[in-house]
Amino acid sequence: DTEVTQTPKHLVMGMTNKKSLKCEQHMGHRAMYWYKQKAKKPPELMFVYSYEKLSINESVPSRFSPECPNSSLLNLHLHALQPEDSALYLCASSQDSGQGGWGYTFGSGTRLTVV
Amino acid sequence: RKEVEQDPGPFNVPEGATVAFNCTYSNSASQSFFWYRQDCRKEPKLLMSVYSSGNEDGRFTAQLNRASQYISLLIRDSKLSDSATYLCVVKTQAGTALIFGKGTTLSVSS
Repeated sequence: DTEVTQTPKHLVMGMTNKKSLKCEQHMGHRAMYWYKQKAKKPPELMFVYSYEKLSINESVPSRFSPECPNSSLLNLHLHALQPEDSALYLCASSQDSGQGGWGYTFGSGTRLTVV
Repeated sequence: RKEVEQDPGPFNVPEGATVAFNCTYSNSASQSFFWYRQDCRKEPKLLMSVYSSGNEDGRFTAQLNRASQYISLLIRDSKLSDSATYLCVVKTQAGTALIFGKGTTLSVSS
């Protein structure tokens, strides 16, 4: 299995809703990442988990809450989002965040619309 | 200065053309370098890693010049299917994540 699976593929939520994005990989990768990508912009790093511990939080607002229940799963909990949070949310994994030379495998993303 | 800079294009070329993309990075401590390809409304996919000695994968050749902090991607004999956005990506140091350039858009026409 060489894939990163993200669910749901599309999500529309109101500003008062609570929802979660899910990401799963079975490649034995020990680093997992959340990126946010707006239209015609490059992906921007949000969070890095290394060996199930949060190692980087790029000053992301607290309305985004990551969780890594185990080495194969990564969640992103969403609460009280704003319309400007609408974007493609990409999950990725790699062998180890500390190793140079490893590319990432990206999931196909969740396209989020906040109304 | 942005960490990774690319000419956004678009590059519009006919089938069979050779096209080159350039990228510069600002952090001299950068360790790893990649080219990713992203199709419209899809996730980025690793095209190739970039090594100091230069490397080739079929029609694609990547070069790295550490002294100039410059990375390039050459595509020979362009195909319609090469139309996409090409992202220059740098990993700055151990323990950090990938930093993406804004991407260069390529459109190959028949």
